[in-house]
Amino acid sequence: EAQVTQNPRYLITVTGKKLTVTCSQNMNHEYMSWYRQDPGLGLRQIYYSMNVEVTDKGDVPEGYKVSRKEKRNFPLILESPSPNQTSLYFCASSSRTGAAGSGELFFGEGSRLTVL
Amino acid sequence: GESVGLHLPTLSVQEGDNSIINCAYSNSASDYFIWYKQESGKGPQFIIDIRSNMDKRQGQRVTVLLNKTVKHLSLQIAATQPGDSAVYFCAECPHGTYKYIFGTGTRLKVLA
Repeated sequence: EAQVTQNPRYLITVTGKKLTVTCSQNMNHEYMSWYRQDPGLGLRQIYYSMNVEVTDKGDVPEGYKVSRKEKRNFPLILESPSPNQTSLYFCASSSRTGAAGSGELFFGEGSRLTVL
Repeated sequence: GESVGLHLPTLSVQEGDNSIINCAYSNSASDYFIWYKQESGKGPQFIIDIRSNMDKRQGQRVTVLLNKTVKHLSLQIAATQPGDSAVYFCAECPHGTYKYIFGTGTRLKVLA
């Protein structure tokens, strides 16, 4: 079954304690992306990756890091989480190749993060 | 329960009626558009997409209409069912970028 898998689904942590949210897709997609979803703000892009070892900032990258060492994995790293990073996070992948053409985003089920 | 649906415009329709959800997009260079459905506690799910060289595309019980002149997208759901209750949002993809720009969404409530 084609899917995007995120872990953990729920996490409560404390300010400053480094954490990683993993993301894996089994569709051989080149494009992967991380979003955060907050009430009234919709989905905002944090980082995206066009291919292995190629990443770029989205609209709200501050406080986050990513890596793309393998095609299927795109972990989101919070080196020193703060309460304003409390949010619902989604990883997504797409078959969209190049900067044109179609290619829906396939989303994971989300990771709800609370930073105390 | 989910808090992402707070502050969203809400469309309430009777079961069996047709629903029309609207979206205004921002970038005249966008050439690909997608509608997503998000149920409580779940990730967004693809409903239907349309390229900018089309005005209309139909799926099973859903139709997307694109009006490039006024940068407007709509999703029509025929014979709305209780399972259609969710938040719906559109996404646009500007040509020449890898970006997907999302609308904030509309909550659809189906009344029995």
